[in-house]
Amino acid sequence: GAGVSQTPSNKVTEKGKYVELRCDPISGHTALYWYRQSLGQGPEFLIYFQGTGAADDSGLPNDRFFAVRPEGSVSTLKIQRTERGDSAVYLCASSVTAGLAETQYFGPGTRLLVL
Amino acid sequence: GIQVEQSPPDLILQEGANSTLRCNFSDSVNNLQWFHQNPWGQLINLFYIPSGTKQNGRLSATTVATERYSLLYISSSQTTDSGVYFCAVMEYGNKLVFGAGTILRVKS
Repeated sequence: GAGVSQTPSNKVTEKGKYVELRCDPISGHTALYWYRQSLGQGPEFLIYFQGTGAADDSGLPNDRFFAVRPEGSVSTLKIQRTERGDSAVYLCASSVTAGLAETQYFGPGTRLLVL
Repeated sequence: GIQVEQSPPDLILQEGANSTLRCNFSDSVNNLQWFHQNPWGQLINLFYIPSGTKQNGRLSATTVATERYSLLYISSSQTTDSGVYFCAVMEYGNKLVFGAGTILRVKS
């Protein structure tokens, strides 16, 4: 079946602009996660959803970052007033549920470049 | 929070060689996963292995939870094995904490 998909695959924007990154989880997966990967590092947790609600947003770096999942499926990560330091690969993952024993499956990522 | 350390940081192998990658973690875990990130950036699940041993083809993994480490074995390496290998453990709140990765390059 289809895996996690993310759009766009690449996004170039200018400092100060607003961007939206989209994630389509695996069908039937109720848990959805966002991570950010900077060059040469492992992914770092941003936020996760169980259903429609954000169960843990402790990884969001500041209030310029916000994510929604209004219908419990597709999620959008929103970044306001982008800064050059926001440049990274944004990865989305999903799992059947949010249990501790669940395997997370990752999408291909969106590569964000802020000029 | 939990700390995850991977070694070696990078590794160059001749095709056909075997290798062992190590992951140490600082606290007890219920969830440990190994991933391969290919040159296009896709994270591919290799193993979910909070304890015990699993094998899948040329790859196998062992986690000794009581001693807080996991090993990934690659046998008869191929050029397609090149990429970055990540170990990740689950912290409270269902967040995965990743190590810095091992960069593997297999030469033909």
